[in-house]
This record gives sequence, C-alpha cells and structure tokens, in this order.
Amino acid sequence: QVQLQESGPGLVKPSETLSLTCAVSGYSISSGYYWGWIRQPPGKGLEWIGSIYHSGSTYYNPSLKSRVTISVDTSKNQFSLKLSSVTAADTAVYYCARFTVVTPLGYFDYWGQGTLVTVSS
Amino acid sequence: SYELTQPPSVSVSPGQTARITCSGDALPKQYAYWYQQKPGQAPVLVIYKDSERPSGIPERFSGSSSGTTVTLTISGVQAEDEADYYCQSADSSGTHVVFGGGTKLTVL
Repeated sequence: QVQLQESGPGLVKPSETLSLTCAVSGYSISSGYYWGWIRQPPGKGLEWIGSIYHSGSTYYNPSLKSRVTISVDTSKNQFSLKLSSVTAADTAVYYCARFTVVTPLGYFDYWGQGTLVTVSS
Repeated sequence: SYELTQPPSVSVSPGQTARITCSGDALPKQYAYWYQQKPGQAPVLVIYKDSERPSGIPERFSGSSSGTTVTLTISGVQAEDEADYYCQSADSSGTHVVFGGGTKLTVL
C-alpha cells in the first residue's frame, strides 16, 4: 500500500520560503511515476502546484512557476516543495500525491493526509 | 489560463440521482477525472479516464463525456455521498493539471 506523509513548518512568515517534504512508503520513487503537490486554501478549491518525475523532470503551474521548486531525493524516497516569497494568499492545506500518467497527462491516485501551512508574522 | 467550470452546489434527496457537470474547451481532447472530498480529508479518486471506476468505488458512481462537458452521475444517492466533488483534467497543451472549482453535493 502506497502511503505519503507531508512534513514541515506549520507557520511561515511573509516574504520567507515555505518548505515541505513528502515521505513515500510502500513504493520506491525511483521505480517510476510522477509525484506532485496540490494545495487548498481554507474553504476553497484544489490548486495544482507542480509535479516531478523520479529523474527530476518537472512541470509547474504557470501561475506559481516563478516561485516554486520541486525536487526529489530517491535515496530517502521523498520529494520536496519550496515556495518562495510567500504571502497570506499562500495559506493553505498542502497535499502531496502520486501521479499516474495517462497520456498526455493523468491523475492523482494516492494522497497524503495534508498539512496546514499558515503564512503570518 | 485554462479553466474547468463546475456548478457550486447540487442538492438531491436520498435515493435520487445526482449529476455534476464540468465544462472546459479542451475536454474533447483530454480525459477527465473526478475526486470526492469529505470535510477534513484528502480527496479520493472516484472516476478516471472519463468513465472508469477505480476498485473499491461503488457502482453507483459513473462518468460520461459529451463534447466540452463531462458529467459525474451518482445513482441512488446515499447520505454518505455528501461531499465536495472536483473534476480534473489537462490544459490543451496536455502539460498542466487543472482542477475545477468544486461542487458541494448536499443530500437533503
């Protein structure tokens, strides 16, 4: 059974960088699949942030691309999200998930439980 | 930027059929996927590739596609189906994931 678990600070100051890690168990990242980050502001809908392949190739939401970096560490079987210059608008529950490719794109089949990140001074 | 449009809310009585639509210009060329999200929980995939149902999802959940609109149908709605439902697809380039705004299903 594939399991994902997000971790990182629950509070980030405005203008700083949000950093989260997703630990994967039950599946080796280096075996394949894309892995992604999705966020959900309180009371609002889902927003795709970006996805990464085990080789390191990435796809980012164009609206966030200038501030987002997603990386993968196959030795630790985890992948990470960095979002720079955060504002209150970045306050959200952040989910990590596995992405199954169905050409040309695909869907998220396994999700973490999510972690709330609040941007506030 | 590309958008998928869903109605904000749908209400049905138990045992009735709920239909939730999702519209987008690229849907004739891209598959659609549907997720169910209950309060405080992560989304769960209920339909993939327009109309396929993952294992473990009840048969009352089905999906269909017609032109620029895809539809999630829940037949014989049960109280436990009350949740937010999101469609997901790709933009016309096929490189970016897009979610619809979500539909709150209320079981009266």
